[in-house]
Amino acid sequence: QSVLTQPPSASGTPGQRVTISCSGSSSNIGSNTVNWYQQLPGTAPKLLIYTNNQRPSGVPDRFSGSKSGTSASLAISGLQSQDEADYYCAAWDDSLNGWVFGGGTKLTVL
Amino acid sequence: EVQLVESGGGLVKPGGSLRLSCAASGFTFSSYSMNWVRQAPGKGLEWVSSISSSGSYIYYADSLKGRFTISRDNAKNSLYLQMNSLRAEDTAVYYCARETLYSGSFYYFDYWGQGTLVTVSS
Repeated sequence: QSVLTQPPSASGTPGQRVTISCSGSSSNIGSNTVNWYQQLPGTAPKLLIYTNNQRPSGVPDRFSGSKSGTSASLAISGLQSQDEADYYCAAWDDSLNGWVFGGGTKLTVL
Repeated sequence: EVQLVESGGGLVKPGGSLRLSCAASGFTFSSYSMNWVRQAPGKGLEWVSSISSSGSYIYYADSLKGRFTISRDNAKNSLYLQMNSLRAEDTAVYYCARETLYSGSFYYFDYWGQGTLVTVSS
């Protein structure tokens, strides 16, 4: 069982907006920033959002992140078929002295 | 161009050992903390270990219980993971990832290798 909790699946139709939640605790999300990673099928993870809401260069502005208290969210607007992937949230945990990941959310574009 | 290339994976029997390597290029390796993250078949990402730029600070996931040892050789631009007493549940793709500091306080993994598969089976 993962320290950070994500829904196992999410879906939407092309053009729709989808959000993926990530729930943690005071020792991780509550006191540290959240990063999001995208893993396309058969590939290595790729940084999608860092420090709660920053996008690396090359990541479309359709992707956005937010954090409030001990929870975070990833929003994808204008959904496209190439967005089908697994999405993971991550944060440093001060109690565990290590990085913790969410269990991942498989996004399906219908 | 930043590149991280893992090697050393393979098939090993339960109780055996394996040493993974990660060759880094395209950046000043000695300036960055590095991490190992693994992914069991069909499962999610699991952080394994972290080592600071100088090697002075090392962290491990509690689940490893002293079986794994992370190290680095800055002169060779290389990261290592020595894995002992391997179990079936250690079967996974092992990724190395560079950890970057942003705005003085915030960290994230900005580059990942392609991964190396470790299979523990008799």
